[in-house]
Amino acid sequence: DQQVKQNSPSLSVQEGRISILNCDYTNSMFDYFLWYKKYPAEGPTFLISISSIKDKNEDGRFTVFLNKSAKHLSLHIVPSQPGDSAVYFCAASGGEYGNKLVFGAGTILRVKS
Amino acid sequence: DVKVTQSSRYLVKRTGEKVFLECVQDMDHENMFWYRQDPGLGLRLIYFSYDVKMKEKGDIPEGYSVSREKKERFSLILESASTNQTSMYLCASRGGAENYGYTFGSGTRLTVV
Repeated sequence: DQQVKQNSPSLSVQEGRISILNCDYTNSMFDYFLWYKKYPAEGPTFLISISSIKDKNEDGRFTVFLNKSAKHLSLHIVPSQPGDSAVYFCAASGGEYGNKLVFGAGTILRVKS
Repeated sequence: DVKVTQSSRYLVKRTGEKVFLECVQDMDHENMFWYRQDPGLGLRLIYFSYDVKMKEKGDIPEGYSVSREKKERFSLILESASTNQTSMYLCASRGGAENYGYTFGSGTRLTVV
């Protein structure tokens, strides 16, 4: 039973537009959430994170929003660039998992130029 | 920068072989992890270790074992490789409690024939 779900396997966006990647979780004890980006033949790299005490965290073109009541978070990329094309993984930690990360299945983002 | 190095990028092994995947990190991190990545399933935790000679099972430990004789090295062992263990294997390390993020290696693409 997946506790972190990324229901969109892929997303295609035009360069310059906003990319919105979504993630849902079921475990209310999760208290820290992260996004990782992965290019083919490379390991995932940390992108941005958010603690459950916040509802928004921004870093340049990347913003993560957290809606605890809905158990939903989203990653916004504005403006999208072709180099953003990658697989994006949502991850969560906390509760019985402690500092271990539980990952979603990933969303493939393609930014068209 | 923290570096996590996985010894092989690509491996092809025969069914029944014993396979060793090596991972080394250079930042004195206590925590190390082995994940496998499969399409549609994301990253699933195989084993992790909080300290030298300590190991704990993750979500999918069957068919695998690990070894951590030194702090910087965490090895994943496939006792008798099977075709359903064909996958991308990712090693990660994590530092102190203030940083929830993992640093991943570049991955080992293992094919069992």
